[in-house]
Amino acid sequence: DAKTTQPPSMDCAEGRAANLPCNHSTISGNEYVYWYRQIHSQGPQYIIHGLKNNETNEMASLIITEDRKSSTLILPHATLRDTAVYYCIVRVLNSNYQLIWGAGTKLIIKP
Amino acid sequence: GAVVSQHPSWVICKSGTSVKIECRSLDFQATTMFWYRQFPKQSLMLMATSNEGSKATYEQGVEKDKFLINHASLTLSTLTVTSAHPEDSSFYICSASGAGGGGNEQFFGPGTRLTVL
Repeated sequence: DAKTTQPPSMDCAEGRAANLPCNHSTISGNEYVYWYRQIHSQGPQYIIHGLKNNETNEMASLIITEDRKSSTLILPHATLRDTAVYYCIVRVLNSNYQLIWGAGTKLIIKP
Repeated sequence: GAVVSQHPSWVICKSGTSVKIECRSLDFQATTMFWYRQFPKQSLMLMATSNEGSKATYEQGVEKDKFLINHASLTLSTLTVTSAHPEDSSFYICSASGAGGGGNEQFFGPGTRLTVL
């Protein structure tokens, strides 16, 4: 079973920041928080990952709470092309370790 | 990031025939490849994990004799759906990880849509 819980769906206005929450209360000390997204009928796309510090890249920012039991993915200026299912996954940083996919959050960006 | 391709992107076949799906890592050597299946409006379900040169490890409930996986080289893995039936219609996705491809990261292919008539 997935170790994360996410809201099933969210709406966001185009141009606004989209904040996607994720709970991972049973996360272990050596597990990272990963975010992927899947646009309809495409393979998943890596977004960002982090251990305990906040992270930012060209796509998004990741805010992890101090106790590491939850995190928030922030898309600073959402566009219509950001409409997708967003998955929050916790995993050990090992190339052979499988990813456990939950149901994700369906993010709909509205014009 | 590293690039993973799949071929074909979609395929339609008759019930009882076999279909082969290829997964290639284009710019890195994939020591491990994963095969997923995704039904409409559902999340990805891991079918099997394959390491180059060894037999694949199948998840519980996945028939290894029906879903044949070959990972004969560091850049190519194939999934063959044997004697396909309509219930095998799904979106099949591979991912790859290994040296030069970001090490511990999994990079995903674009998926293959299989429709069995």
